[in-house]
Amino acid sequence: AQKITQTQPGMFVQEKEAVTLDCTYDTSDQSYGLFWYKQPSSGEMIFLIYQGSYDEQNATEGRYSLNFQKARKSANLVISASQLGDSAMYFCAMGTQGGSEKLVFGKGTKLTVNP
Amino acid sequence: DAGVTQSPTHLIKTRGQQVTLRCSPKSGHDTVSWYQQALGQGPQFIFQYYEEEERQRGNFPDRFSGHQFPNYSSELNVNALLLGDSALYLCASSFLVGGGETQYFGPGTRLLVL
Repeated sequence: AQKITQTQPGMFVQEKEAVTLDCTYDTSDQSYGLFWYKQPSSGEMIFLIYQGSYDEQNATEGRYSLNFQKARKSANLVISASQLGDSAMYFCAMGTQGGSEKLVFGKGTKLTVNP
Repeated sequence: DAGVTQSPTHLIKTRGQQVTLRCSPKSGHDTVSWYQQALGQGPQFIFQYYEEEERQRGNFPDRFSGHQFPNYSSELNVNALLLGDSALYLCASSFLVGGGETQYFGPGTRLLVL
């Protein structure tokens, strides 16, 4: 069975600074995908970034990068130059390569960006 | 390009009643998944529909059922509602064929069972 662990219930960061949100995973599958979603208070889950288990380079999408360490089974999200609008819940999830099938989510980390 | 839409946005029901939630997938997507998100938790996978059939199911009782229509839209039905069914219900769509694509979520339906 797949499992996602997010150990930081809440994180605080100053505007314009970088922040790292932790995610560790457990699976016996060789092929899998790792995802990060942002959930503002409105409730919608917004896709941020994807990393396939066979991808050799860390994924990047604008200010978001995924620090993928396969041996340690970690997939941390790094947000550079934080903005006030980044304040939200962030969820790490695991699924198949590509991500079209069942996703398993962690409990999330609440990020607060201070001015 | 229309994203995933869900209706209604909010719903209040009483124990024992039945509810139907609706979802229209993102344009070009053929697969719909449903998730339940209780307060303070991450979403939990309920089931996924593709080609009008349920192809994957999470650990949810038979009170939870669904349907997918030829236009790829989907419904989630919950019978005999319990207080514990109060949650945010999220619909996600994706494209399954050819390796698949990341799931995109709708805004959710907030269900309150009294």
